[in-house]
Amino acid sequence: EAGVAQSPRYKIIEKRQSVAFWCNPISGHATLYWYQQILGQGPKLLIQFQNNGVVDDSQLPKDRFSAERLKGVDSTLKIQPAKLEDSAVYLCASSLEGPGGTQYFGPGTRLLVL
Amino acid sequence: GDSVTQMEGPVTLSEEAFLTINCTYTATGYPSLFWYVQYPGEGLQLLLKATKADDKGSNKGFEATYRKETTSFHLEKGSVQVSDSAVYFCALRRGNQFYFGTGTSLTVIP
Repeated sequence: EAGVAQSPRYKIIEKRQSVAFWCNPISGHATLYWYQQILGQGPKLLIQFQNNGVVDDSQLPKDRFSAERLKGVDSTLKIQPAKLEDSAVYLCASSLEGPGGTQYFGPGTRLLVL
Repeated sequence: GDSVTQMEGPVTLSEEAFLTINCTYTATGYPSLFWYVQYPGEGLQLLLKATKADDKGSNKGFEATYRKETTSFHLEKGSVQVSDSAVYFCALRRGNQFYFGTGTSLTVIP
């Protein structure tokens, strides 16, 4: 079974630029999560989808971050415009069931904002 | 608000030593508790979990018991191996929200 795929693996941008990350969850997994992991900290949940609907986005900085999962499969997370403090690893995870299900994490996208 | 506090690392142990990584939590209600592990170059993966008080999660020789009276979920292993070298994260889930600790790096030397 293929795991959670993310791209790109690394991205370097300048502040005020925009950037997008892509995630392809495990086939059949209804729930998809985006996390932000700043160096030296644990992952912080940004947004959670159930199929193509948002379950929770209370921790998403909506002035600059947006995410979508249009067909209930792939998802994109966008930052526009980026700030220095957005430098982090962005993790995508998916689970077969809802929030109680085991989450399977992708390898992450490492973002550096200069 | 809800949070997880775990012991800071890095932790260095000799092979076959006993491991304890402390984790305490703050949460209202009855959260589920998890330990995740991140091996070098790999993504996070679930190691074990417990969903109610006094439950013991176990996997790969690791154990953790959900102690509501002390709000703790300490990770233990009786005899570590070099292959256990990784970063370990304690986490809780309450409703739709997940909270992770800052991670504890473990290095096991032969």
